[in-house]
Amino acid sequence: EAQVTQNPRYLITVTGKKLTVTCSQNMNHEYMSWYRQDPGLGLRQIYYSMNVEVTDKGDVPEGYKVSRKEKRNFPLILESPSPNQTSLYFCASTDRVRDTQYFGPGTRLTVL
Amino acid sequence: GDSVTQMEGPVTLSEEAFLTINCTYTATGYPSLFWYVQYPGEGLQLLLKATKADDKGSNKGFEATYRKETTSFHLEKGSVQVSDSAVYFCALRNYGGSQGNLIFGKGTKLSVKP
Repeated sequence: EAQVTQNPRYLITVTGKKLTVTCSQNMNHEYMSWYRQDPGLGLRQIYYSMNVEVTDKGDVPEGYKVSRKEKRNFPLILESPSPNQTSLYFCASTDRVRDTQYFGPGTRLTVL
Repeated sequence: GDSVTQMEGPVTLSEEAFLTINCTYTATGYPSLFWYVQYPGEGLQLLLKATKADDKGSNKGFEATYRKETTSFHLEKGSVQVSDSAVYFCALRNYGGSQGNLIFGKGTKLSVKP
């Protein structure tokens, strides 16, 4: 079954404590991306990756890092989280041939 | 740059009512257009898409037609059900203008009452 998984699904943390949200896909897609969803703002892209070791900034990259060491994994790293990063985060994997994007179930992050 | 504007919600309808959610876009070139749906507590799922002018995407009773002359991709359904309650996002992908990244509208929340 085609799947994008994210962990954890829910996370409450404190300001400044480094955290990583993992994302994994089983479809051998080259293109992956991270979004955050905020009320009234829709989804905004944080970072994307077009292949292993190829990453680039999206619309709202400040305060985030990513890495792409293997095709299936695309972790999102918050080195020093702040309360304005409290949000719902989605990882996505894209089938460029069918022009279809598959989303993970989301990670709800609260930074106190 | 490229952008998507969709009608603000929330939209509340009675079961079997007709649904229209407006979506217009600004983009250079010839983008592909999408509607995604997000059910409560879940991630986004592709609902339908259209890749060129005058194409009609359809799925689960929903339809949208790619209108280049009006730069629109309005979502319609003839008879909504309670199970259609969700947030709907219009989006575009423009390989020429925005590196092929998906650009989303802000979403429209639909509530269908029995």
